[in-house]
Amino acid sequence: AQKITQTQPGMFVQEKEAVTLDCTYDTSDQSYGLFWYKQPSSGEMIFLIYQGSYDEQNATEGRYSLNFQKARKSANLVISASQLGDSAMYFCAMREGGSEKLVFGKGTKLTVNP
Amino acid sequence: NAGVMQNPRHLVRRRGQEARLRCSPMKGHSHVYWYRQLPEEGLKFMVYLQKENIIDESGMPKERFSAEFPKEGPSILRIQQVVRGDSAAYFCASSAAGELETQYFGPGTRLLVL
Repeated sequence: AQKITQTQPGMFVQEKEAVTLDCTYDTSDQSYGLFWYKQPSSGEMIFLIYQGSYDEQNATEGRYSLNFQKARKSANLVISASQLGDSAMYFCAMREGGSEKLVFGKGTKLTVNP
Repeated sequence: NAGVMQNPRHLVRRRGQEARLRCSPMKGHSHVYWYRQLPEEGLKFMVYLQKENIIDESGMPKERFSAEFPKEGPSILRIQQVVRGDSAAYFCASSAAGELETQYFGPGTRLLVL
């Protein structure tokens, strides 16, 4: 079974609008971490945001917020006030308790239209 | 504070040659991870190392691939007798002891096997 599922291969959003990128995960661990990374066309992987399984508050970092719904095992990324520079691939990843490796989803390609 | 450094950024090899990929972690980081990204895919974990120790190599192919992180110098991912299927982007990430939640990625090495 897939550990991380990103069901949206591609998403489009108008500049200045908000967009939600979906991510669901599968784990039986109680302790785990969820991450979002951005990969622009230049290829580097940029860390955006982290949510721990025990964190009660949703993580926020500037225009990025993580909508963490533990019971539904979802960790959607919300980007507010989209900018043209947000156009990129976005990867959701999980680190399970007792392991240091990250397991990545297949990614969502976000295109911001002017 | 310099980020994770990887070199070369691009590497072309003919089938049967050896590829050596280097990774210098962020200053103060003693944990290194290698991931591979095939075209149109998310990253797949290969190996996790601390100085002079391989901690988890569950994602490494059984043959031709090896990794090290010596006491001095960068981490090296070595691929012997490369084949066309080894063509991919290879990313290194690092984290600090006590801050294992967040892995910071280097820019990647794009390996092309002709």
